[in-house]
Amino acid sequence: QQQVKQSPQSLIVQKGGISIINCAYENTAFDYFPWYQQFPGKGPALLIAIRPDVSEKKEGRFTISFNKSAKQFSLHIMDSQPGDSATYFCAASMGWGAQKLVFGQGTRLTINP
Amino acid sequence: DAGITQSPRHKVTETGTPVTLRCHQTENHRYMYWYRQDPGHGLRLIHYSYGVKDTDKGEVSDGYSVSRSKTEDFLLTLESATSSQTSVYFCAISGTGLDEKLFFGSGTQLSVL
Repeated sequence: QQQVKQSPQSLIVQKGGISIINCAYENTAFDYFPWYQQFPGKGPALLIAIRPDVSEKKEGRFTISFNKSAKQFSLHIMDSQPGDSATYFCAASMGWGAQKLVFGQGTRLTINP
Repeated sequence: DAGITQSPRHKVTETGTPVTLRCHQTENHRYMYWYRQDPGHGLRLIHYSYGVKDTDKGEVSDGYSVSRSKTEDFLLTLESATSSQTSVYFCAISGTGLDEKLFFGSGTQLSVL
C-alpha cells in the first residue's frame, strides 16, 4: 500500500519554465511534508519542507503548496535551470522523534537548455 | 554527506550468502536509519535506531536485521541474501529537534546474483 503517491514519474521542462510535481497522501496523522532532491550517485538531500498549519512555503525558486482538505501537496520550481535536473521525492512523516519518512515514488526532472 | 560513511559502496554477492553493510556517522546524532531505493518504489524504511541497542522495524524489514553497539555505527545484515534484495541501500541520520532533517549517505549498490 503506497501511502504517498507522486506524479508524474518523469517531467521535461524548458529552461526558465515552471516545474510542478504533485503528491497525495492518505494518512491524516502525517504532519511533516519534506521534499528531497537526488542527483545520480548521491543520496537524497532535503530541499524544502512544510507543516500543515500553513498552505504555502517559499524558499528561493522553490515553493511548496499544501492543501490539507484534499490531502495533497506540490512542489513548484520557478525559472527552472539545467542544474535542477534531478530526481525529486516527496515524503511524509508524523510526530516527533524518529523521522520515519514515507516516500513517494519519485519524479525524474529534466530541464532542457 | 554530513559526516556519514557507508561501506562498501558496491558489492556483488551470491544468493544465500550473508551480507553486512556498515554505516558510520561523525555527527553524534541519536537516530539512524536504513532505507532501500528501488525504481517505482522511492525509498522504503527497513529498520531504524533510536539509541545504542535500541532498534525497531520499518516498512520492509523481512529478511534484514540490524545492530547498533555504538552511537556512531549502525549495521544492516542480510542473513541469507536473495535476488529481491538487489537494491541501493541508504543510511540516514537525524537529530532530536522538531522537524529534524534526515541526512543521507551516498549509498551502497548491492547486487545479489
